[in-house]
Amino acid sequence: KNEVEQSPQNLTAQEGEFITINCSYSVGISALHWLQQHPGGGIVSLFMLSSGKKKHGRLIATINIQEKHSSLHITASHPRDSAVYICAAGGNQFYFGTGTSLTVIP
Amino acid sequence: NAGVTQTPKFQVLKTGQSMTLQCAQDMNHNSMYWYRQDPGMGLRLIYYSASEGTTDKGEVPNGYNVSRLNKREFSLRLESAAPSQTSVYFCASTLWVDVNTEAFFGQGTRLTVV
Repeated sequence: KNEVEQSPQNLTAQEGEFITINCSYSVGISALHWLQQHPGGGIVSLFMLSSGKKKHGRLIATINIQEKHSSLHITASHPRDSAVYICAAGGNQFYFGTGTSLTVIP
Repeated sequence: NAGVTQTPKFQVLKTGQSMTLQCAQDMNHNSMYWYRQDPGMGLRLIYYSASEGTTDKGEVPNGYNVSRLNKREFSLRLESAAPSQTSVYFCASTLWVDVNTEAFFGQGTRLTVV
């Protein structure tokens, strides 16, 4: 069983497109993280959410606690956004999704 | 610079060899974690340490041991490496901020066991 499910698994977009990545979780959480991993690289936390919505530049993350669902949106996508995006839900321990591999084509 | 530092970045071992992965954080975080990342699977927890002096098994602890040397350092040891332990290993640390958790990850160690 997967405590955290992400969709889609793979996503290819044209530069400038609006992108949405979805995350559903079945565990109780105190926080949900959206992480970014570039090929061969480390993992960076983009957002930590416990409610509502957060925005950093072109990235927007939302969470609906009642529906146990979160989305990551990228506006005006750019090739440098190409990476794997990982949803992690939990508190003291995290449960991770398998990631969404995003490729943005110029 | 604040963050989580892992060493080494790359390692090739022969089956049966041993090695220790080192992890250190300078953010005064209480909790530290070791994960492995395999293709097609999410990060899986190997061991974690909620505080200095304590360690607990995660989802996939077999074949590994850990040591929380002090608040800063959390090492992962493979006593007798097996090809199934070929993976990318990530160390992480977390801090509770109000009711939320900040999380920081190391750059990863790419381990190949031949």
